[in-house]
This record gives sequence, structure tokens and C-alpha cells, in this order.
Amino acid sequence: GAGVSQSPSNKVTEKGKDVELRCDPISGHTALYWYRQSLGQGLEFLIYFQGNSAPDKSGLPSDRFSAERTGGSVSTLTIQRTQQEDSAVYLCASSLDDPSTDTQYFGPGTRLTVL
Amino acid sequence: GESVGLHLPTLSVQEGDNSIINCAYSNSASDYFIWYKQESGKGPQFIIDIRSNMDKRQGQRVTVLLNKTVKHLSLQIAATQPGDSAVYFCAELSHGSGNTGKLIFGQGTTLQVKP
Repeated sequence: GAGVSQSPSNKVTEKGKDVELRCDPISGHTALYWYRQSLGQGLEFLIYFQGNSAPDKSGLPSDRFSAERTGGSVSTLTIQRTQQEDSAVYLCASSLDDPSTDTQYFGPGTRLTVL
Repeated sequence: GESVGLHLPTLSVQEGDNSIINCAYSNSASDYFIWYKQESGKGPQFIIDIRSNMDKRQGQRVTVLLNKTVKHLSLQIAATQPGDSAVYFCAELSHGSGNTGKLIFGQGTTLQVKP
């Protein structure tokens, strides 16, 4: 079946501009996660959505970062006033339900470059 | 604080040999660990997981070993193939309030398979 999809695959923007990154989770998955991967590094947790519960935003690096998940499906990660240090690959993952029992499946990521 | 790390940044093996990738974790309360494989330009792909009530778990050509005494995790790949070349990450599930399930990733080990 279809996996997690993300768009765009690549995004180049100028410093100070806002960007929106989109994630389509696997159909039926109630949990959705955003991670950031800087060059040559591991993945850094950003935010986690579970059903209708309040999201866990503990990983967002600054108030320039925000995310929404509408209708319990598609999610958008927004970065306002982008900075060069925001350049990274942004990965989305989804899992069926319980993160302690259900595998997180990752999308291909969006490579963001801030000039 | 929590951290998950890998002992070696790069591992080079001959095709057909067995590979062992190591990982150390610091949170003794962690009870769920996952290995991911990431090929260039792609998102991480689930390989195998293990819970803290187990010492060993086997999959197809892969085995994960967990030593809770020394907080050490390893991934063994039997008869390594060129297609196994990738970056391998261990991840630890961090339990927050409620049912939060964010993964804490290590920095990754690059596996290079020589033909």
C-alpha cells in the first residue's frame, strides 16, 4: 500500500521567508511525527500528534516552528522567517496508534535549503 | 539526560562477511529499541525492534541483541550484501507524559560493503 508521502521533496528559500512542508501519513494511522535531520547527523524529534490529543511540541527549536494536523490526517510544518541553520531534511513518520507498540514508518523527507 | 550513541561512525566489511553495529544508550528506564536503515536520499526504514524483556530477537539475516546491564544494543547482519550499504541508526523510545512516543536517535553508523 501507499507509504508516508511528503512534499515538496526539495525546497530552496531565502533567509527570512516562510516555508510550509506537507506530510500525508499512511491511511488509518492516528499518530504522526516530525523529525529534523541535519547533514551527517541523526534525527531530532520536533513534534508528535496522536489522535485528538494536544500535540507534544517539546522538540520544536523555536517559536518560528509550528505544525498543524487537520482532520486527523495531513500535517503541515511551518517555519517562519527561515534562518540558514534551519537547512536540513525534515522527515515525517506515522504509526498505527500506540508509539510504544507500533512501528513508525518514515516518508522520504523534504530537503530544505535556506540561502 | 537521554542520549543514544553509536560506537563507530563507519564500518567497512567484505561482501559475505557478518557485520556488527553497536549502540550505547543512557536511559536505563527505556524499554523499547529500534534499528533503522537509511539509504541515501531516503527516509529511515524499520529493520527490527526489541523490548527490554528480551535479550535477543532475530529477523531475516538480522539479529538484535540487548544487554541491559551495560545498556548496550547491537545489530548483527549475516552474510552482508552490497544492498546492505547504508547508514544504520539505533533509536530509543522516550516516554513522556501520557502516551508520548518520541524516538531518540543515535548519530548513525555508515556500513560500507566491499565487493
